[in-house]
Amino acid sequence: DAGITQSPRHKVTETGTPVTLRCHQTENHRYMYWYRQDPGHGLRLIHYSYGVKDTDKGEVSDGYSVSRSKTEDFLLTLESATSSQTSVYFCAISERLAGYEQYFGPGTRLTVT
Amino acid sequence: GDSVTQMEGPVTLSEEAFLTINCTYTATGYPSLFWYVQYPGEGLQLLLKATKADDKGSNKGFEATYRKETTSFHLEKGSVQVSDSAVYFCALSANNNAGNMLTFGGGTRLMVKP
Repeated sequence: DAGITQSPRHKVTETGTPVTLRCHQTENHRYMYWYRQDPGHGLRLIHYSYGVKDTDKGEVSDGYSVSRSKTEDFLLTLESATSSQTSVYFCAISERLAGYEQYFGPGTRLTVT
Repeated sequence: GDSVTQMEGPVTLSEEAFLTINCTYTATGYPSLFWYVQYPGEGLQLLLKATKADDKGSNKGFEATYRKETTSFHLEKGSVQVSDSAVYFCALSANNNAGNMLTFGGGTRLMVKP
């Protein structure tokens, strides 16, 4: 299995509070991604990174920000959580030399009450 | 933009039955196509892939053929097992700044009964 961990694995928070999810990899892959998974929508890309301090928006980026200060860590922040951000969040990594295949972390289940 | 359409589930089969999960796509250029599987409580795992027209991806008894003329990538397995119960996602990618930005279908839940 690719070395990808996510923390926390489960979180319950209140509307309006800030939340940060962490993705950590030990594979030294260049590309990292944050997705959210909701019933009927499959996975939708929130933000991605193509190198340290290089990030860009995905399909559903409103209300989210990201940071990548080290190759191994990619943080997803919800500045002020809303109930619509209740979801399961997955991190993924990929690398050109690995054929750009994406490897996924175990996910973080976030509930905003 | 790019999009992937999968048959809605759940698909319920008896053990040893034949499986087909339909997937069609819309994309510019020549994307790569993937099937991912998600077991309960886990992340997605790559099941198989095809990178050009007429390629057949295969793994663990599952197969899918990249059909450019019908823009399809249907997943098949000749004899399913209870352990195949999971959610299956079809996806496509277009190489760009994101390395391999994936567009997913909505997922199809497969339930196999003994």
